Amino acid sequence: TQLLEQSPQFLSIQEGENLTVYCNSSSVFSSLQWYRQEPGEGPVLLVTVVTGGEVKKLKRLTFQFGDARKDSSLHITAAQPGDTGLYLCAGGHTGNQFYFGTGTSLTVIP
Amino acid sequence: EAGVVQSPRYKIIEKKQPVAFWCNPISGHNTLYWYRQNLGQGPELLIRYENEEAVDDSQLPKDRFSAERLKGVDSTLKIQPAELGDSAVYLCASSLVGPRDPHGYTFGSGTRLTVV
Repeated sequence: TQLLEQSPQFLSIQEGENLTVYCNSSSVFSSLQWYRQEPGEGPVLLVTVVTGGEVKKLKRLTFQFGDARKDSSLHITAAQPGDTGLYLCAGGHTGNQFYFGTGTSLTVIP
Repeated sequence: EAGVVQSPRYKIIEKKQPVAFWCNPISGHNTLYWYRQNLGQGPELLIRYENEEAVDDSQLPKDRFSAERLKGVDSTLKIQPAELGDSAVYLCASSLVGPRDPHGYTFGSGTRLTVV
């Protein structure tokens, strides 16, 4: 059962454009993680956010955890072909494992 | 440091045949997970081990799937008999301090299973 819905499901943009990926749930999470997965590989952790309203930046990537801790967003500035991949959010409840979202497949065209 | 190692990388079998996947987690990681991932979707948990104990196998189809983690290190996931709908990527992951590890899970490259 997927508790987290991501949107859009697919995104194809030109190099240099900005984009935002959303992760939404009806559940409150104690923390949320974002992963990126390249073809033929496993997901790799990008960031963990734990506080409602928290914003973290990782170079051109900006992650935000919603105030109510039910949603999160990932914003990429000036996308590059190397950003291509499947972006996954994963939400965790206290004492339980992280559940992964439905995924957003991003393609950045040179 | 070696990452999570999985084998084989690819497996093609006929339906009704058995298949097994192997995983070697990162040394010292007590928690091990098996996930199934369909193309373009997020991974779905099949089973979680704390050392050698399966602590969450609620999503494991127990009529045909089985798993073991002998000595709390390597793990094997088996399907017998395989069905067409089992075609997917099977991912193994491990974490150091349990399911809520803030450092996240370290995943292997997965085994892509095709059932024909």
